[in-house]
Amino acid sequence: DAGVIQSPRHEVTEMGQEVTLRCKPISGHNSLFWYRQTMMRGLELLIYFNNNVPIDDSGMPEDRFSAKMPNASFSTLKIQPSEPRDSAVYFCASSLVQGGGQPQHFGDGTRLSIL
Amino acid sequence: AQSVTQLGSHVSVSEGALVLLRCNYSSSVPPYLFWYVQYPNQGLQLLLKYTSAATLVKGINGFEAEFKKSETSFHLTKPSAHMSDAAEYFCAVSDAAGTASKLTFGTGTRLQVTL
Repeated sequence: DAGVIQSPRHEVTEMGQEVTLRCKPISGHNSLFWYRQTMMRGLELLIYFNNNVPIDDSGMPEDRFSAKMPNASFSTLKIQPSEPRDSAVYFCASSLVQGGGQPQHFGDGTRLSIL
Repeated sequence: AQSVTQLGSHVSVSEGALVLLRCNYSSSVPPYLFWYVQYPNQGLQLLLKYTSAATLVKGINGFEAEFKKSETSFHLTKPSAHMSDAAEYFCAVSDAAGTASKLTFGTGTRLQVTL
């Protein structure tokens, strides 16, 4: 079974550039999460969607960050303009909305470096 | 609000020794609890989950965890450590009555296994 697929795996770009991270959740899952992981701050939840609708974006650090989920099989996280402090590993995870107790399944992440 | 506390950001054990990683939770409703493992340059992988069935939960790679309501704990154990167990381990909680599938993660414990 295909897991959560993220692209690209690595991204290096200069500050000020637009960055778009992509995620394909597990087929049939209807919750999708975006996380950021750094040494300093650990694992942070940025935003999550249920049935393609954003439920909680309180973790999005600034207006430079935006996320969309146009359909059940695709989501993007966009940073515009990017800054060096955005350098981190960004993870996408998916799950089922079915009461509690549903585990999240993680992709392998996108390692983002902003120069 | 629910939370988890992982005691010890780094744990070192000898190969063949007992592994004990500690997790205490706080939740106003019956919780669902999870342990995840993260190997270098990978996403988080589910080890095991507690969903109010048996209090002793067995997971992959020989790990198990015991839910103790009186102690609000969900410690992860493995009788005999292997070099391949070296990784970072995260405890997470989801409440049974709240927003479905959202998890609150601990800060992680890095396990080192020495010869």
